[in-house]
Amino acid sequence: GQQLNQSPQSMFIQEGEDVSMNCTSSSIFNTWLWYKQDPGEGPVLLIALYKAGELTSNGRLTAQFGITRKDSFLNISASIPSDVGIYFCAGQPNTGTASKLTFGTGTRLQVTL
Amino acid sequence: DTAVSQTPKYLVTQMGNDKSIKCEQNLGHDTMYWYKQDSKKFLKIMFSYNNKELIINETVPNRFSPKSPDKAHLNLHINSLELGDSAVYFCASSQTSGTHEQFFGPGTRLTVL
Repeated sequence: GQQLNQSPQSMFIQEGEDVSMNCTSSSIFNTWLWYKQDPGEGPVLLIALYKAGELTSNGRLTAQFGITRKDSFLNISASIPSDVGIYFCAGQPNTGTASKLTFGTGTRLQVTL
Repeated sequence: DTAVSQTPKYLVTQMGNDKSIKCEQNLGHDTMYWYKQDSKKFLKIMFSYNNKELIINETVPNRFSPKSPDKAHLNLHINSLELGDSAVYFCASSQTSGTHEQFFGPGTRLTVL
């Protein structure tokens, strides 16, 4: 099955630094979602994007829905230790009953003090 | 006040056994999903039910049989467990009207020996 390509695969940054990650697809999506997964937990929704070009913020997090509808970006500003985890993008091709999510390969974020 | 709950959290069993995982959501959603996350953290949809009706079946072996007694519950029964079934299984739910955002349970780590 299709998987979305996320980059970078992993990041090691210092506390206080800004982080950028992106997600690309060969297919168009009508919805992009960004999730964070902590060890031993399920993915938690961070930001949802519904329109091409949309820019949405949630605290220190900002995400954008690419104009082509084939990509999305997530930025984290002023990282803190609790930002550690795996970040997944996910795309939905349509808004019908079968809202199948296709997940990205994940970006593992490590924050050092 | 858990939104999506799964039991058990951990499941260790022998090859060839039959096991079940249960999922319940108290969000009032009408659609529920099962996802599988492998050792590389790839998340892939397995099944989706809308109002107790199967709407997504992603080429999963027929040893896996989901059952939805009502729209708040979606259970997963696995027959004749194989080593390759070892993974973390996540339940999720969403509402077809509105934003279709999916909310995930904490996961069930299945280990087949």
